Amino acid sequence: DAGVIQSPRHEVTEMGQEVTLRCKPISGHDYLFWYRQTMMRGLELLIYFNNNVPIDDSGMPEDRFSAKMPNASFSTLKIQPSEPRDSAVYFCASRRDRGNTGELFFGEGSRLTVL
Amino acid sequence: GNSVTQMEGPVTLSEEAFLTINCTYTATGYPSLFWYVQYPGEGLQLLLKATKADDKGSNKGFEATYRKETTSFHLEKGSVQVSDSAVYFCALITGKLIFGQGTELSVKP
Repeated sequence: DAGVIQSPRHEVTEMGQEVTLRCKPISGHDYLFWYRQTMMRGLELLIYFNNNVPIDDSGMPEDRFSAKMPNASFSTLKIQPSEPRDSAVYFCASRRDRGNTGELFFGEGSRLTVL
Repeated sequence: GNSVTQMEGPVTLSEEAFLTINCTYTATGYPSLFWYVQYPGEGLQLLLKATKADDKGSNKGFEATYRKETTSFHLEKGSVQVSDSAVYFCALITGKLIFGQGTELSVKP
């Protein structure tokens, strides 16, 4: 079974541009998470979905960030307009278990650099 | 609120040395506890887990015991290898997974 697939793996853009990151979770997983990783702040949960519905977006830093999950096999994280402080590695992860014992499966991440 | 605190890194060890990475948590109820590992350039992957008090998770020579009385889940390995060099994250789950700040381990030959 394929793992969590993220694209692009690397993105370099200029300040003010729109950035869209994509994620395909593992088939059959009903939870999807977006994390951001930086040296300064470590791993931060931005938002997570259950059955395509956003459950907790309290980690989304500001209105420039938005996330959607139009169906069970696809999610996007959009930054508009982007700023240099958004530079980070963005991870998508999914899991199936509805209880508290489920393993989270991570994608390889999208490394974003905003100049 | 729920939180996880790990010992700060980086930790540098010689090959075959004993490893301990401390992790303590604060949580309501009895969460499941996890250790994830991140190798350079990769996403996180589950290393081991424990779902209730006194459970011991183990994998690839690593172990951690869920200690409710001390709210701890310390990671140990008796003899580390160069290939164990990575960042290790302690985590707990209460609906969503909450990670510690990560501890970088560097093992020298």
